[in-house]
Amino acid sequence: GIQVEQSPPDLILQEGANSTLRCNFSDSVNNLQWFHQNPWGQLINLFYIPSGTKQNGRLSATTVATERYSLLYISSSQTTDSGVYFCAVEGYSSASKIIFGSGTRLSIRP
Amino acid sequence: DTAVSQTPKYLVTQMGNDKSIKCEQNLGHDTMYWYKQDSKKFLKIMFSYNNKELIINETVPNRFSPKSPDKAHLNLHINSLELGDSAVYFCASSQGREGARPNEQFFGPGTRLTVL
Repeated sequence: GIQVEQSPPDLILQEGANSTLRCNFSDSVNNLQWFHQNPWGQLINLFYIPSGTKQNGRLSATTVATERYSLLYISSSQTTDSGVYFCAVEGYSSASKIIFGSGTRLSIRP
Repeated sequence: DTAVSQTPKYLVTQMGNDKSIKCEQNLGHDTMYWYKQDSKKFLKIMFSYNNKELIINETVPNRFSPKSPDKAHLNLHINSLELGDSAVYFCASSQGREGARPNEQFFGPGTRLTVL
């Protein structure tokens, strides 16, 4: 099955800083999503982005499908951005399933 | 509100008991899922149902039995609970592989199960 690796595993930043989170995957994907799990445990959809670039406020994401990676950018971090960011992918095979990366734990200090 | 909902939010029980977690979605999706998140935050798919039919079963012990009475509901029944079953269980739904955004996942709030 597809392997998904996220980096860095942990990131501690001051409020106002920018950050880049990376997701590498081992095969072509039909589906790639970024999620934010907030400190209360909710999984919040950020982007559905199997290819290309999208922006939503201070967050943007880029997936380069041919090179098998995706990046999540957070600008002007706020304390409410803290939590764990997950990348999840699914391959093209009909037998494929959603595979989650191990996440990046982001802590934003005031 | 259109959403995926789960009950209960918290479940504390003794080893050996049987318990169920309920999930409902009103998004009109055809596919529903159960995921398990362990203490290290790893998220792993357990089951997937499409229109009430099981399509993914990820070598989960037989003590776990999903039941889908209709395509808007997917319940998880767990027999003879063990300490290692303690985790957060998430339900999710999607339009399925044929949608405009194949298998885009929408998650419920999770059920934190603690087995004592």
